[in-house]
Amino acid sequence: GAGVSQSPSNKVTEKGKDVELRCDPISGHTALYWYRQRLGQGLEFLIYFQGNSAPDKSGLPSDRFSAERTGESVSTLTIQRTQQEDSAVYLCASSLVPSGGGGELFFGEGSRLTVL
Amino acid sequence: GQQLNQSPQSMFIQEGEDVSMNCTSSSIFNTWLWYKQDPGEGPVLLIALYKAGELTSNGRLTAQFGITRKDSFLNISASIPSDVGIYFCAGQQMDSNYQLIWGAGTKLIIKP
Repeated sequence: GAGVSQSPSNKVTEKGKDVELRCDPISGHTALYWYRQRLGQGLEFLIYFQGNSAPDKSGLPSDRFSAERTGESVSTLTIQRTQQEDSAVYLCASSLVPSGGGGELFFGEGSRLTVL
Repeated sequence: GQQLNQSPQSMFIQEGEDVSMNCTSSSIFNTWLWYKQDPGEGPVLLIALYKAGELTSNGRLTAQFGITRKDSFLNISASIPSDVGIYFCAGQQMDSNYQLIWGAGTKLIIKP
């Protein structure tokens, strides 16, 4: 596709359930980022992938959060045993090169997660 | 985590007015970026600044990289209805080649 695609766009789940969020980056973009955006707040960095590897996982809020990327394309963010505090919009972005190298981040529309 | 101080939090303006918002930090940044987010969308890059003192325009938008490297501002001239949305600043520090630090956003609302 032409842009970053995320699914599902909306997810409502019960506390304690696991959820999986998917991101399809722009083809050829080696850098991929996950951010969390709580209502009325800025973007909170979660994890960065360069290719298939994640050199920095320190942004993940807890061990309930994990992410993987396969084939330098699709990435999935998994949240286990969801809590109400996990409710937020999860944004994925990709860039041709890392942002520090001048790479512009292109964002998807986000996955809105609501934990009841 | 670390955040940039972005102000104002929100702005109510009349169509045609000029708008100014800024971001400050106690730390030095080597890149400043301004993004806009429309409802239900991801942020889109408006302007990127890479050098202290740099002044860059994109149509009716103008942004500057502060000479201290600790601040940046964004101006919008002659606002129009499609300018509504949330504007975010983001900064890149020298010790990271991938992590951006984000402001909390400025919500722009145009009064009918």
